[in-house]
Amino acid sequence: DIVLTQSPATLSLSPGDRATFSCRASQSVSGFLAWYQQRPGQAPRLLIYDTSKRATGIPARFSGSGSGTDFSLTISSVEPEDFAVYYCQQRYNWPLSFGGGTKVEVK
Amino acid sequence: QVRLQESGPGLVKPAGTLSLTCDVSGLSIISSTWWSWVRQTPGKGLEWIGEGYHNGDTNDNPSLKSRVTISVDKSNNQFSLTLRSVTAADTAVYYCAFRTQSPGSGAFDLWGPGKMVTVSS
Repeated sequence: DIVLTQSPATLSLSPGDRATFSCRASQSVSGFLAWYQQRPGQAPRLLIYDTSKRATGIPARFSGSGSGTDFSLTISSVEPEDFAVYYCQQRYNWPLSFGGGTKVEVK
Repeated sequence: QVRLQESGPGLVKPAGTLSLTCDVSGLSIISSTWWSWVRQTPGKGLEWIGEGYHNGDTNDNPSLKSRVTISVDKSNNQFSLTLRSVTAADTAVYYCAFRTQSPGSGAFDLWGPGKMVTVSS
């Protein structure tokens, strides 16, 4: 099974800051990595798929990069609605798997 | 607009069977789409349970030790989850979701709002 490890667990930021967080896979996922945002009390929402492709309606301040086993999600300038938990997920192999999440909180 | 909605009992007895249904609107259940179940617990985070396709193909997570059945109901445009021999460890929020084959994203494009299920006597 592919294990995804996200870091840091928590990121404390102010609105307008740049946010970057990491997802590392236990083996190559060949670019088949997605990112989701989950706000409190809500279901996850797809942000990025296949490493760097933004899902429909996702603002340009969200970008993804990486390859092989190391991936990152960047928010260029954090907006108030971006304080949430972010998860990575791989679809390279079954069983599909998720990382443990990075919480972006207000500093 | 595509919408998913989970339904089913919110309380299941230990050793019993958890059964949930996901109603799909705005998208045909026979499209090139995997119909999925994901659960979330405070301790284990997000866990993929499994998925089904309209032709009867399924994939599920071996960690659930063959307790899972996922089926797609073409007549009612819905899909369902059955999880047998439940324990307290199966207490979670259960989400239905879908992911569309190429040229779709292959990721979980949309999720239902979630259904809290508690396993307790």
